[in-house]
Order: sequence, then structure tokens, then C-alpha cells
Amino acid sequence: DVKVTQSSRYLVKRTGEKVFLECVQDMDHENMFWYRQDPGLGLRLIYFSYDVKMKEKGDIPEGYSVSREKKERFSLILESASTNQTSMYLCASSSIGTGNYGYTFGSGTRLTVV
Amino acid sequence: DAKTTQPPSMDCAEGRAANLPCNHSTISGNEYVYWYRQIHSQGPQYIIHGLKNNETNEMASLIITEDRKSSTLILPHATLRDTAVYYCISVTGTASKLTFGTGTRLQVTL
Repeated sequence: DVKVTQSSRYLVKRTGEKVFLECVQDMDHENMFWYRQDPGLGLRLIYFSYDVKMKEKGDIPEGYSVSREKKERFSLILESASTNQTSMYLCASSSIGTGNYGYTFGSGTRLTVV
Repeated sequence: DAKTTQPPSMDCAEGRAANLPCNHSTISGNEYVYWYRQIHSQGPQYIIHGLKNNETNEMASLIITEDRKSSTLILPHATLRDTAVYYCISVTGTASKLTFGTGTRLQVTL
């Protein structure tokens, strides 16, 4: 069964810590995405990547960075975690080929910054 | 990408068809309509997508009006496990970047 795997389901970090959220997909997809989801605000795009070593800012990139050194792995980095980054983080991947642009999402990482 | 409008919530009795509407009146000719759903505490799940023609798969049917200004997702025999938030999204196929709205919260009841 093809999947997108996020390294942690729940995470608690302290303010000011550097936080790494890892995402791995096994579908050979070109595109990978990081969203955060907050009550009443829906899913908001943080960063995305169309290829290895490429990255594009989404709608809310401030306070975040990303890394894509390998096609299957896309990491979200919180340089200095703050309490307003407490959220559900969702990783997704998609393929640009064959006319099917459906996303496959991971199960999410619920991050709490204290 | 065109903005989509969905009702915030709907109820459906188990075993009945659930018809979820979506308005995308500003959709352009090369934009697809995608449907996803999100069950509580899980990542969104792809359901179906279409451009002009009606589509059907093992999960649902998608009916797109001839002028493409609206569409309806049909779950033919809703079950309690279909209780979720359903998102309708329009996107240019080559862009591949999805913008989620707030969706429709479908509650299936006994």
C-alpha cells in the first residue's frame, strides 16, 4: 500500500527549540507539500517542492524552512519554535504525470510548543 | 485557481445518498474539480476529480453541470464512516498546488 509517512504522530517541544518534521513518500512522486491545519482556518500551505533541492514558498512560510535532498524525503524545519506554531502539520505528495493530480496525505503530526 | 463555495454542514441518514454541492462559478476551462475528505484527526483523503464529464469510482460519483459552474459529489449509500469534512477544490492541472477552503461537515446518522 503506497503511503506518505510522517515521522511523529505527536510532538511536544519547548519555545526556542529547533524542530524537524520529517516526511517520506514511497510513490516516486515529484511534488511534496507541507500544510498546517488550525481550527477555523482550514489547511494552509507552508512550503512545497517540485523537485529535489527545489522549494517554493506557500501562503504562510514565515518561521519555517524546508529541505529536500532526496526525492522521497521532504523536511519541515521550525528554526526557533514558538507557541503560535502549535498546530497539526500535514505532509502530502503528488505526481505531475498521467493526468492524475491527486494528493496523498500523511496522517499528520500534532505539534505542541510549550 | 477559482474560489469554491460549499455549505458549512449537512446531515444524511445512513443508507441514503449524500449529495454534497459545490459552487465554482469562476472556474476556467482548464481547471479541474477535486474532492477530498478528512475524517477526524486524519490527513485528507482523495475521493475523485473531473474536468467536464461526470465521473464515478468505487467511492463516489461526481456530477459537473454543463456550464461547469457547479458540481455535486454523491455518496450513493452513506455509512457512519462517511462522517467527515468534505472539501471541493478547483485547480489548474499543471499547477498541482491545492488551496483548501473550509469544506462541508457531513454528519451521517442512524
